[in-house]
Amino acid sequence: DAGVIQSPRHEVTEMGQEVTLRCKPISGHDYLFWYRQTMMRGLELLIYFNNNVPIDDSGMPEDRFSAKMPNASFSTLKIQPSEPRDSAVYFCASRPMFSGGNNEQFFGPGTRLTVL
Amino acid sequence: AQSVTQLDSHVSVSEGTPVLLRCNYSSSYSPSLFWYVQHPNKGLQLLLKYTSAATLVKGINGFEAEFKKSETSFHLTKPSAHMSDAAEYFCVVSDLTGNQFYFGTGTSLTVIP
Repeated sequence: DAGVIQSPRHEVTEMGQEVTLRCKPISGHDYLFWYRQTMMRGLELLIYFNNNVPIDDSGMPEDRFSAKMPNASFSTLKIQPSEPRDSAVYFCASRPMFSGGNNEQFFGPGTRLTVL
Repeated sequence: AQSVTQLDSHVSVSEGTPVLLRCNYSSSYSPSLFWYVQHPNKGLQLLLKYTSAATLVKGINGFEAEFKKSETSFHLTKPSAHMSDAAEYFCVVSDLTGNQFYFGTGTSLTVIP
């Protein structure tokens, strides 16, 4: 199993530009999560999907952020327009629906975003 | 509400000596608890998990953790530190659904040769 795949691994952009981060969850996993990691706030959940449907987006910081999951094998997190304070590492994670009481989430390698 | 507190932001040990990373949790029900490790510029890797089975949980790379309900603790230990253990460690508690993970602020482990 290839694990959770994220692309790009690094992204450097200028303020005001649109940024799209991509995630491919583990095949067969029903849940997909987007996290952001910053020095100030640590790891925080932005949004999660169940069977491609957004369930809780209360962690999305503002309207500049949007996430989609058009099918079971692909999700995007878009920032438009980007700002320097969006600089962070963005993680995608997935897990199966039924895991025998084990709620382990499987994390991707992350995308390090720098907004200049 | 669920939360975790990692009591040390930095821990430094000599190679070959024991490691202790401390975590206290708060949960209104029997929790699911995890320890994840993040090596520099890498993603998060699961070390071990507690899901109301045995209170002493063994994980990868010689790490283990003991769930102590009376102390609301889930400390991570390893008998002998290796240079490759140098990383950031996160204690995590999940809600009942498993969809909301509450991360601690992390403990940075340094291993001195």
